[in-house]
Amino acid sequence: EVRLVESGGGLVRPGGSLRLSCTASGFDFPNYWMTWVRQAPGKGLEWVANIKQDGSEKEYVDSVRGRFTISRDNSKNSMYLQMNSLRADDTAVYFCARELYSGSPRRFLHWGQGTLITVSS
Amino acid sequence: QSALTQPASISGSPGQSITISCTGTSSDVDDYNYVSWYQQPPGKAPKLLIYDVTKRPSGISNRFSGSKSGNTASLTISGLQTEDEADYYCFSFKFNNEFGGGTKLTVL
Repeated sequence: EVRLVESGGGLVRPGGSLRLSCTASGFDFPNYWMTWVRQAPGKGLEWVANIKQDGSEKEYVDSVRGRFTISRDNSKNSMYLQMNSLRADDTAVYFCARELYSGSPRRFLHWGQGTLITVSS
Repeated sequence: QSALTQPASISGSPGQSITISCTGTSSDVDDYNYVSWYQQPPGKAPKLLIYDVTKRPSGISNRFSGSKSGNTASLTISGLQTEDEADYYCFSFKFNNEFGGGTKLTVL
């Protein structure tokens, strides 16, 4: 069974930093693109970033580029999102997601349950 | 403000069919056949219903179907059931990876 578990959420002050983790199991993690999607309270889904199987390609939404860094450690079946210079509008539940099949980025079949980040003073 | 426009809400009765639209600019929905649809029940993670406009992942009911005409993609749910009550999002990509604003489906 495919399982994605996010961790690292919590309360952080504006301007602060946080690192999210997504730990995967039940599939061959190094073979899949991985993605972060977020959802502000009461709002819709927003694609945040994705990373290729070997980490050689990364994409970001404009609003986080330069502040967030996506990475992965295939030896640990894990993906990360380093979030710096956090702002109130980064407050959201952050989901990690796996692509439908190997080589099909942007088709998100498997999702974690999400971790909540609250940016507030 | 999403460049993919969905109706904010839609409703239907059990057994009926409803269609949710997703209208983009010509640079996203129209040019590429890469529209997908997600269902998100309250408090839960999204679920992939349709990808590449018309394809269903394994295990998704054939009550869910997708189509596209010009720059508008559509999700049709036939034989509405109470458990279909959820938020629905389209997603398309070309230069931007973007979700539509979402549509809240109420099953009366």
